Amino acid sequence: QVQLVQSGAEVKKPGSSVKVSCKASGGTFSNFAFSWVRQAPGQGLEWMGGIIPVFGTGNHAQKFQGRLTITADESTRMVYMELSSLRSDDTAIYYCARDNSGFDFWGQGTLVTVSS
Amino acid sequence: EIVLTQSPATLSLSPGERATLSCRASQSVNNYLAWYQQKPGQAPRLLIYDASNRATGIPARFSGSGSGTDFTLTISSLEPEDLAVYYCQQRSNWPLYSFGQGTKLEIK
Repeated sequence: QVQLVQSGAEVKKPGSSVKVSCKASGGTFSNFAFSWVRQAPGQGLEWMGGIIPVFGTGNHAQKFQGRLTITADESTRMVYMELSSLRSDDTAIYYCARDNSGFDFWGQGTLVTVSS
Repeated sequence: EIVLTQSPATLSLSPGERATLSCRASQSVNNYLAWYQQKPGQAPRLLIYDASNRATGIPARFSGSGSGTDFTLTISSLEPEDLAVYYCQQRSNWPLYSFGQGTKLEIK
């Protein structure tokens, strides 16, 4: 059974960076794409970006240009999302998800709180 | 960027009734459209992929239809546990995915 386990909650200051990890177990890793999706309090889902580990290059939505880096490590089956220049409106739950003609497996979510 | 517009924003129905949720894309996404269910405090769950295919373990009362720009999620006979927010997502052009704003389904 595929399982995605994310790192724990973070509290960050405005202007700093956060790096969230997602460890995949079960199933094949390298051949699938993995995406990051966030959800601000009381709001909808927002697709941020993704990566196909075997290709190694992350891609992201235009609004995160210059602030978002998505990486993967095939040897450890880990996917990472790093967001820089944090603002208060980056406060959200961040999810990783496996893309298999739809996001069929999701991590449990990581709450990132940006506050001074 | 492809914009997805879901309607209605909120739907209030009784158990046993039929629910019809709509998702319209600003340009064609072919059939690369997925539907998700999100219950309070939980991660989203994939219901439908490629417009009309039920994901593993999804009950037969959930069905999807449509292609191009207009899509529908139908719940044939509502159960109390179907209380949730439902999102559509287009996957027509890696890596430029997007979600709709969601439809909140209330059970009377």
